[in-house]
Amino acid sequence: QQQVKQSPQSLIVQKGGISIINCAYENTAFDYFPWYQQFPGKGPALLIAIRPDVSEKKEGRFTISFNKSAKQFSLHIMDSQPGDSATYFCAANSRAGKSTFGDGTTLTVKP
Amino acid sequence: SQTIHQWPATLVQPVGSPLSLECTVEGTSNPNLYWYRQAAGRGLQLLFYSVGIGQISSEVPQNLSASRPQDRQFILSSKKLLLSDSGFYLCAWSVHTGSYFLNYGYTFGSGTRLTVV
Repeated sequence: QQQVKQSPQSLIVQKGGISIINCAYENTAFDYFPWYQQFPGKGPALLIAIRPDVSEKKEGRFTISFNKSAKQFSLHIMDSQPGDSATYFCAANSRAGKSTFGDGTTLTVKP
Repeated sequence: SQTIHQWPATLVQPVGSPLSLECTVEGTSNPNLYWYRQAAGRGLQLLFYSVGIGQISSEVPQNLSASRPQDRQFILSSKKLLLSDSGFYLCAWSVHTGSYFLNYGYTFGSGTRLTVV
């Protein structure tokens, strides 16, 4: 049973546009929500993360929005660039267990 | 700073041959260690994880095995590879389960591309 559902599976955005990737979770024990960015042939790298006591976290062009009551969180990439083209994974962690990953979203930013 | 090393980067092996992939972590102690497999264009499938030396949990029944002979060393093995074992193998580490840190995301290695022919 998948505990983190990620959508969309793929996303095409024009350069300068906003990319939005959504995730929903079920387990209320999760207390740390990271996003990973993976380029082809490379391992995923931690991009940005949020804890549930915060509704939004921004780092440069990347923003996580978190809705605890709805058990949803999303990644927003502002002013998307071709260099942002990659696969993005959301995840949910609890201190007592393993990380649960979404299935990934392949983002293509067209110049 | 913490670093994770994974090798080899690419590997082509015949069906029925053995496999040994190694992962080591530097700059931390008592980490949680993980082996993931990623099929082309797909998500991350957890294969094994370890919370300490000699402690291995298997997530998916298969002909692969894992061992943790030292605190910061994690090895993925197979006695006889199958075609279906082809994929991108990733090692990762995180802070130890139960540790109180503000950040317990995963740090992944650079991966091993395994092709079984």
